[in-house]
Amino acid sequence: QQPVQSPQAVILREGEDAVINCSSSKALYSVHWYRQKHGEAPVFLMILLKGGEQKGHDKISASFNEKKQQSSLYLTASQLSYSGTYFCGTSGGGATNKLIFGTGTLLAVQP
Amino acid sequence: EPEVTQTPSHQVTQMGQEVILRCVPISNHLYFYWYRQILGQKVEFLVSFYNNEISEKSEIFDDQFSVERPDGSNFTLKIRSTKLEDSAMYFCASSWIQRGGYNEQFFGPGTRLTVL
Repeated sequence: QQPVQSPQAVILREGEDAVINCSSSKALYSVHWYRQKHGEAPVFLMILLKGGEQKGHDKISASFNEKKQQSSLYLTASQLSYSGTYFCGTSGGGATNKLIFGTGTLLAVQP
Repeated sequence: EPEVTQTPSHQVTQMGQEVILRCVPISNHLYFYWYRQILGQKVEFLVSFYNNEISEKSEIFDDQFSVERPDGSNFTLKIRSTKLEDSAMYFCASSWIQRGGYNEQFFGPGTRLTVL
């Protein structure tokens, strides 16, 4: 079953913050976050493996609560370049680590 | 920086025709994947490939689909008899195994398949 993301869409002004949530009904081994711009391939942002782990990448960070089967992506002081659709990809482990992607969150940053 | 490449970038075909989508994964990667994305929808897993065989496939990956690694560099997805609903962007991805068992997947730029 695919993970559910919220919100479905968000519009920000430059410099504002946003949080994107990803939740799964199944046990998670890892959570991967990707950003996709229109007509382009998904671009890897970060991966979280351990329960409660938090990672950062410039002004984008994420947390992963293994017990709650949830992950959140935090975008602070958003820039125009942050615009795109954000997908969480969840993995239940196993030999292949296939990713099941969430429904996506469309983020639009306006000047 | 190494990257996954895919050809062609756009393929137009008639319903019922066979198509082959090509990918060159990153050279030291061990796992290869195909995903597809129907316009406006999420990315869906099709198949994973390791050690020259399919390791996992989704319900979408029926008998019309096949994958192959014909040489040391290329990884192909064949659709034997295309249907209208096969129209989508097809992404190839590759990864390597790191200590701990998790692996970041790198995506290629995609092939847009249009079935008429």
